[in-house]
Amino acid sequence: EAGVAQSPRYKIIEKRQSVAFWCNPISGHATLYWYQQILGQGPKLLIQFQNNGVVDDSQLPKDRFSAERLKGVDSTLKIQPAKLEDSAVYLCASSYPRGPGTGELFFGEGSRLTVL
Amino acid sequence: GENVEQHPSTLSVQEGDSAVIKCTYSDSASNYFPWYKQELGKRPQLIIDIRSNVGEKKDQRIAVTLNKTAKHFSLHITETQPEDSAVYFCAASSGSARQLTFGSGTQLTVLP
Repeated sequence: EAGVAQSPRYKIIEKRQSVAFWCNPISGHATLYWYQQILGQGPKLLIQFQNNGVVDDSQLPKDRFSAERLKGVDSTLKIQPAKLEDSAVYLCASSYPRGPGTGELFFGEGSRLTVL
Repeated sequence: GENVEQHPSTLSVQEGDSAVIKCTYSDSASNYFPWYKQELGKRPQLIIDIRSNVGEKKDQRIAVTLNKTAKHFSLHITETQPEDSAVYFCAASSGSARQLTFGSGTQLTVLP
């Protein structure tokens, strides 16, 4: 079974620039998550999708972050404009059938963002 | 929302000794408590989980205990080995969409 795929693995940008991350979940996983993991901290949920609908985006800084999951499969997370404090690893995860209350989260390798 | 606190932040043990990591949670409605292991530069991976209707669960050298009254749960690793060295995260699931809230992590180092 193929795992959760993410790209790019690394990205370095200047502050105020924009960046986009892509995630392809495990086939058949209805729930997709984006987590932000700052160095030395636990992952923090940014947004949760169930199929192509948003279930929870309460911790997403909507003035600069956006995410979409078209057709209920792949997802993109965008940051525009980036700030220094956005430097982190962005982890995508998926689960089946309805989220962590019933199933394991499978994480991708992550996309490491450095904002200079 | 849910708040999960994890202690200690770092833990060093001699190979063969036991290691214990503790977490507390705030939301009494939380009912699912997984533990993830993250090796350096790699993705977090589930190692064990427990649901609120169970007090203890074991899987070979690892075990998790849950005290719902006190709202805390613990990870126990026996006969530690160098490959157990990693960062361990506890988490709690709450909310209508069962969001996972993670603790801040424990860096476990097993000394040979």
